[in-house]
Amino acid sequence: EAQVTQNPRYLITVTGKKLTVTCSQNMNHEYMSWYRQDPGLGLRQIYYSMNVEVTDKGDVPEGYKVSRKEKRNFPLILESPSPNQTSLYFCASAYRGPGNTEAFFGQGTRLTVV
Amino acid sequence: QKEVEQNSGPLSVPEGAIASLNCTYSDRGSQSFFWYRQYSGKSPELIMSIYSNGDKEDGRFTAQLNKASQYVSLLIRDSQPSDSATYLCASGGSYIPTFGRGTSLIVHP
Repeated sequence: EAQVTQNPRYLITVTGKKLTVTCSQNMNHEYMSWYRQDPGLGLRQIYYSMNVEVTDKGDVPEGYKVSRKEKRNFPLILESPSPNQTSLYFCASAYRGPGNTEAFFGQGTRLTVV
Repeated sequence: QKEVEQNSGPLSVPEGAIASLNCTYSDRGSQSFFWYRQYSGKSPELIMSIYSNGDKEDGRFTAQLNKASQYVSLLIRDSQPSDSATYLCASGGSYIPTFGRGTSLIVHP
């Protein structure tokens, strides 16, 4: 089954404690992206990756890191989480091409930083 | 900056009515367009895709694309309370998808 898998689904952590949210896709997609979603603000892109070892900042990259060492995985790293990073996070992947760029989403990770 | 614009709503319609959701995009190079439905706290799910000018129908949903006007719309016929959700418009420009902020739809009995 084609899918994007995020873990964990729910996470409560304390300010400053490093954490990683994993994202894995099994569709051999070149493109992967992280979004955060806050009430009234829609999906805001944090980072994206066009292929292995190629990453770029989205609209709200401050406080986040990513890596793309393998095509299937795109972890999101919060080196020193702060309460303003409390949000609902989504990972997505897409075939990178001129035609169909339908995005597939993970189930979401609800992060609370206290 | 490539953008997809949507009215945030909420759009409120009575049960059984037609809900009309609209979207404009800035990237003339976009070749694919998508509508996603998102229930609160859940991930977006694709409900319609459209690639050429005109209408595309799938059940109660019709997507409309006008590339000259850079305009995409979604019509939901016979709206049901279960259609109440946020609807995200996305364009597939420059090889990667760009999302609008979404329109909240409320279908009241």
